[in-house]
Amino acid sequence: DARVTQTPRHKVTEMGQEVTMRCQPILGHNTVFWYRQTMMQGLELLAYFRNRAPLDDSGMPKDRFSAEMPDATLATLKIQPSEPRDSAVYFCASGFKGNEQYFGPGTRLTVT
Amino acid sequence: GESVGLHLPTLSVQEGDNSIINCAYSNSASDYFIWYKQESGKGPQFIIDIRSNMDKRQGQRVTVLLNKTVKHLSLQIAATQPGDSAVYFCAENTGTASKLTFGTGTRLQVTL
Repeated sequence: DARVTQTPRHKVTEMGQEVTMRCQPILGHNTVFWYRQTMMQGLELLAYFRNRAPLDDSGMPKDRFSAEMPDATLATLKIQPSEPRDSAVYFCASGFKGNEQYFGPGTRLTVT
Repeated sequence: GESVGLHLPTLSVQEGDNSIINCAYSNSASDYFIWYKQESGKGPQFIIDIRSNMDKRQGQRVTVLLNKTVKHLSLQIAATQPGDSAVYFCAENTGTASKLTFGTGTRLQVTL
C-alpha cells in the first residue's frame, strides 16, 4: 500500500530555531506539493516540484522558508528562523501525470 | 482568549440517510475537480474526481455532480455511515501543472 510519509509527525520548538520537515513521496510520483493548514487560512499551497525542479513557491514566505528535493525520494521544507505564526500542520502530497494528489499524514508544528 | 478561525459549514445527517455536500468553485477555466475527505488528525484523502467534460461520476456510495453553468460541484454520499464523519473539501485545477485550489471545507456530522 503506497503512501506518502512525513517526519516528524509532531514538532515543538522555540521561536528562532530551525525546523526541518521531511517527506517521502510515493515511488514513481514526479510531482510533490507542500501545503500548510491552519484554522485561520485553511489549506494553503506553499510550493511544488515536478521532476525535482521547483515550479512554484509563490505561496511561501521566502525570507524564512525554503523547499528542496535533494533526490526523487526526499522533499524537505525548512523554516529558519521559526516564529509562533508558523504553527500549523504541514502536509506533503505527491502525484503523477494526472491531477490526483495523495497526501501524507502531516507534521504538526508548534512554535512557542 | 477566544480563537477565531474559518467557520466551517456543518452538515448533520442521520446514519443511513443520504448526504449532499455542495461547493461553489471560482474559476470558469477549471477543468478538473476533486473531492477530499479529511478525518481529524489525518491528511486529506482522495474520494472521487471529475473532469469538466463530464457532469456526473459515480464511485462506491459516492457521486459527484458538476454544473459548469453555475460553477457548482456536489458530493452525494449514499447511506451515510458514522465513518463518513469528517471535513470534506472540494478542489479545482485550472490545468496549471496540477496545481489545486481548495475550498474551505464542509464538516459532515453523522448522528446515530
